[in-house]
Amino acid sequence: EAQVTQNPRYLITVTGKKLTVTCSQNMNHEYMSWYRQDPGLGLRQIYYSMNVEVTDKGDVPEGYKVSRKEKRNFPLILESPSPNQTSLYFCASSASSPGLYDIEYFGPGTRLLVL
Amino acid sequence: KDQVFQPSTVASSEGAVVEIFCNHSVSNAYNFFWYLHFPGCAPRLLVKGSKPSQQGRYNMTYERFSSSLLILQVREADAAVYYCAVEDCNTGKLIFGQGTTLQVKP
Repeated sequence: EAQVTQNPRYLITVTGKKLTVTCSQNMNHEYMSWYRQDPGLGLRQIYYSMNVEVTDKGDVPEGYKVSRKEKRNFPLILESPSPNQTSLYFCASSASSPGLYDIEYFGPGTRLLVL
Repeated sequence: KDQVFQPSTVASSEGAVVEIFCNHSVSNAYNFFWYLHFPGCAPRLLVKGSKPSQQGRYNMTYERFSSSLLILQVREADAAVYYCAVEDCNTGKLIFGQGTTLQVKP
């Protein structure tokens, strides 16, 4: 089954404790991205990757890192989480840059609480 | 600034036709995307394009800078968040609105 998976689905942590949220897709997609969803702000892109070893900042990259060592995986790293990073995070992938012909598929989301 | 605008909440009654409006200020965007999001699940694409289109109970209207999602015969189970997005042809990225929460009264 074609899908985007994220782990963990729920995470509670404390300020400053490094964490990683994994994202994996089995569709051989080149494009992957991370979004955060906050009430009243909708979906905002954090980072995206056009292909292996190619990553770039989205609209709200501060406090986050990513890596793309393999095509299928795109982990999101919070080196020193802060309470303002409490949010719902979505990973997404598409065959190439999302648009009319390459739909972006979303993972189920990771709810993060930083105390 | 390039932005996508949609109402935060829309309320309806069962059986009615619901319209969720979206407009944008992105100069080089021509395609609209409407996503449905149930809490705890992955957002999924309902309808998309640069012209009016229909997928089942979901209709999309199209103007150059605005689109509406029409949901026919709305049901309580349609209560969810609906995202409007446009494709920025300069960057190749999707720009999302804040999402519209649909409330359906029995």
